[in-house]
Amino acid sequence: DGGITQSPKYLFRKEGQNVTLSCEQNLNHDAMYWYRQDPGQGLRLIYYSQIVNDFQKGDIAEGYSVSREKKESFPLTVTSAQKNPTAFYLCASSITGGPDTQYFGPGTRLTVL
Amino acid sequence: AQSVTQLDSHVSVSEGTPVLLRCNYSSSYSPSLFWYVQHPNKGLQLLLKYTSAATLVKGINGFEAEFKKSETSFHLTKPSAHMSDAAEYFCVVSEGGNRDDKIIFGKGTRLHILP
Repeated sequence: DGGITQSPKYLFRKEGQNVTLSCEQNLNHDAMYWYRQDPGQGLRLIYYSQIVNDFQKGDIAEGYSVSREKKESFPLTVTSAQKNPTAFYLCASSITGGPDTQYFGPGTRLTVL
Repeated sequence: AQSVTQLDSHVSVSEGTPVLLRCNYSSSYSPSLFWYVQHPNKGLQLLLKYTSAATLVKGINGFEAEFKKSETSFHLTKPSAHMSDAAEYFCVVSEGGNRDDKIIFGKGTRLHILP
């Protein structure tokens, strides 16, 4: 059963704590992405990776960090430097990137108290 | 530089009537264009994709979109709305055909279906 999974679905953290969101895919895709979604703002790109051990900043990378040590995994850490971290976070993957179709995970809703 | 504009943030239609969700884009090159759908608290799912083949693209669940270069538009339509179509829809543009090309999401259109 191929797909892309994100865990947990809901996450609560206290202000000032770092938190890591998981994203795993078994589609053998090279490219993976992290997006942040806020009401009325569409999706904004945080980071993306087109190959293992390489990743690029997106439009809103400040306060976030990622790693890509394995092809199937692309975890996102929301650090205490992120001023407004409460949001819905979506992970996606595609075969090679660019105009390829993106396949999305179910999302993680992060609430910082 | 590429951009995408979804002209309506909310659209309401009655069940059984046609759906039109509008999208305009700007691109310096031949773009790839997508429509994705998102049901509440879920990830996005591809509805359809245009990549310089036929200008009328048919997607899942009875949706289709027409690429009109002269109008720089890629509007999404469906002849008859169903209650299950209530969701948010995103128009997406990717310029060129390279893996390094940036992907731009529109801000979304929320479709409401009235009984």
